Amino acid sequence: KAGVTQTPRYLIKTRGQQVTLSCSPISGHRSVSWYQQTPGQGLQFLFEYFSETQRNKGNFPGRFSGRQFSNSRSEMNVSTLELGDSALYLCASSAGLAGGNTGELFFGEGSRLTVL
Amino acid sequence: EDQVTQSPEALRLQEGESSSLNCSYTVSGLRGLFWYRQDPGKGPEFLFTLYSAGEEKEKERLKATLTKKESFLHITAPKPEDSATYLCAVRISGTYKYIFGTGTRLKVLA
Repeated sequence: KAGVTQTPRYLIKTRGQQVTLSCSPISGHRSVSWYQQTPGQGLQFLFEYFSETQRNKGNFPGRFSGRQFSNSRSEMNVSTLELGDSALYLCASSAGLAGGNTGELFFGEGSRLTVL
Repeated sequence: EDQVTQSPEALRLQEGESSSLNCSYTVSGLRGLFWYRQDPGKGPEFLFTLYSAGEEKEKERLKATLTKKESFLHITAPKPEDSATYLCAVRISGTYKYIFGTGTRLKVLA
């Protein structure tokens, strides 16, 4: 069973640009969530999608947005990039809590964004 | 405010030297506590889920326990390949949001 796939793995942008990151969840998983990981703050929750609907959003500015498609694939977008947006962006999929599942998250390897 | 705190931040052990990592939490409602292992350059890898105080889970040299205020990850006779960052996370009741601690960086020396 293929794991969570994130693209691109690495990217470099300059301040003011925008970036789109992509995530393909584990087959059958309908929940996709996004996290930002930095050395000082650890993993910070960005948002979670289920069946194309955003169910929860973290405390990030509106420059951070996301969406989920009908095939459960998800994208997140960051506009007007700032130096502080440099981080590892992790996508996680979950089978949820139905059917005896226990809600654990399965992570991709992340997209490392560097903003210059 | 919902919060998860892990200690210590870093831990160095000799091979075979058992120890415990701590995860304390203050949340409005707990809907599961999760332990993950993260290797450099990789995404976190799921280890355990705990739901109720008194619950314990084991996997090889690792054992996770849960009380009403904290969880422990006990590492028995660790090996160098156990070196990694260990993260705990809690899922907040009524939401699909997980709050992570900042992790414990474990280094096991041969």
